[in-house]
Amino acid sequence: QVQLVESGGGVVQPGRSLRLSCAASGFTFSSYGMHWVRQAPGKGLEWVAVISYDGSNKYYADSVKGRFTISRDNSKNTLYLQMNSLRAEDTAVYYCAKVLSDFDWLLDLVLWGQGTLVTVSS
Amino acid sequence: QSVLTQPPSASGTPGQRVTISCSGSSSNIGSNYVYWYQQLPGTAPKLLIYRNNQRPSGVPDRFSGSKSGTSASLAISGLRSEDEADYYCAAWDDSLSGGVFGGGTKLTVL
Repeated sequence: QVQLVESGGGVVQPGRSLRLSCAASGFTFSSYGMHWVRQAPGKGLEWVAVISYDGSNKYYADSVKGRFTISRDNSKNTLYLQMNSLRAEDTAVYYCAKVLSDFDWLLDLVLWGQGTLVTVSS
Repeated sequence: QSVLTQPPSASGTPGQRVTISCSGSSSNIGSNYVYWYQQLPGTAPKLLIYRNNQRPSGVPDRFSGSKSGTSASLAISGLRSEDEADYYCAAWDDSLSGGVFGGGTKLTVL
């Protein structure tokens, strides 16, 4: 079954860290770029980060640059988002998403996970 | 304030044709592909249009996309009640070296 399953969300205090995981199955994970996109409660979509199929290229939104790190383990078919120095404004549902075409990392996000909620609060 | 500008709301009656606009700049829409997503309440977004005007497998041809200069549009013809959802445009921004989404348009089927 082709799917993405996020995990690792929860409630965390401001300034602390959290690592999200995205387990992929049903496709050749190592051939596709992957993105993280988030959505604050009641708000629109916000692009967070992208990583190329081999991990050699990574880009981040200005709002998370220097605090978040995207990575992948192709041997484990898993995408990660390490989130440090968390702020209240990072509270959101975080989605991982797979691009449409292999060896690409454009914004044609054809497969999405169910999302995992991160709440930053004291 | 989103980098890509969409109207916050749109509406139409069943069977009607509705268009949703997305305005950007030379660093995003003007030089890169535009994508459109549909998000039903409580669900993950779904890719409707990629590379300006291409439909993924399974997306009805009632949905179409176009781009001209620094603007893009999503058209929905033969409007149905199940089309009631939030719609987002997206593009890569060369100046930001990152992806950008529009603020979203809530479509109501009257």
